[in-house]
Amino acid sequence: AQKVTQAQTEISVVEKEDVTLDCVYETRDTTYYLFWYKQPPSGELVFLIRRNSFDEQNEISGRYSWNFQKSTSSFNFTITASQVVDSAVYFCALKGGGSQGNLIFGKGTKLSVKP
Amino acid sequence: DSGVTQTPKHLITATGQRVTLRCSPRSGDLSVYWYQQSLDQGLQFLIQYYNGEERAKGNILERFSAQQFPDLHSELNLSSLELGDSALYFCASSVGSRLAGSYEQYFGPGTRLTVT
Repeated sequence: AQKVTQAQTEISVVEKEDVTLDCVYETRDTTYYLFWYKQPPSGELVFLIRRNSFDEQNEISGRYSWNFQKSTSSFNFTITASQVVDSAVYFCALKGGGSQGNLIFGKGTKLSVKP
Repeated sequence: DSGVTQTPKHLITATGQRVTLRCSPRSGDLSVYWYQQSLDQGLQFLIQYYNGEERAKGNILERFSAQQFPDLHSELNLSSLELGDSALYFCASSVGSRLAGSYEQYFGPGTRLTVT
């Protein structure tokens, strides 16, 4: 079975703090894909990043960085110098290597950044 | 703006009724996915279509059905509605292919359904 666990239900930080959102996944597929999505208060789901299982290189995009570790089945997301606009629910998702394209989502982590 | 459009944005209806949610994928995307987001179940996959054909089914109730038309837009039909069907319904699209599906999915703004 495939599963995504985001153990942190809610996180609250003060602006400019760094914050890491944890994501642990389970899959028996040797090829799989991991994603992060952001859901701001307005409700839409915004794609942030995709990572393939065969590419363990970490990625940085501005204040965002992602740490993919196959050894611990984790794909963590760090926001550096958080801002109020980062307040949202963040979802980690998994897609297996089969022909079915559906994503399996974690329960999400609600991040509140206070000024 | 993801390029995926969904109508209507809000829908309020009574129990027992039937509604149709509409989705237009991004230009060039062949795969369409439907997801339901509720407080207790989180984000749940319902069904996927690829180029007009059903590709995968998730936790979709028998009262729900979907189709993808030749112009690639998709409709999700919900019938005999119950209070528990109240949720945010998302459509997503991706380039897709017969074998892959690793491409990221872009989500529409969602349709918020309230059943009273």
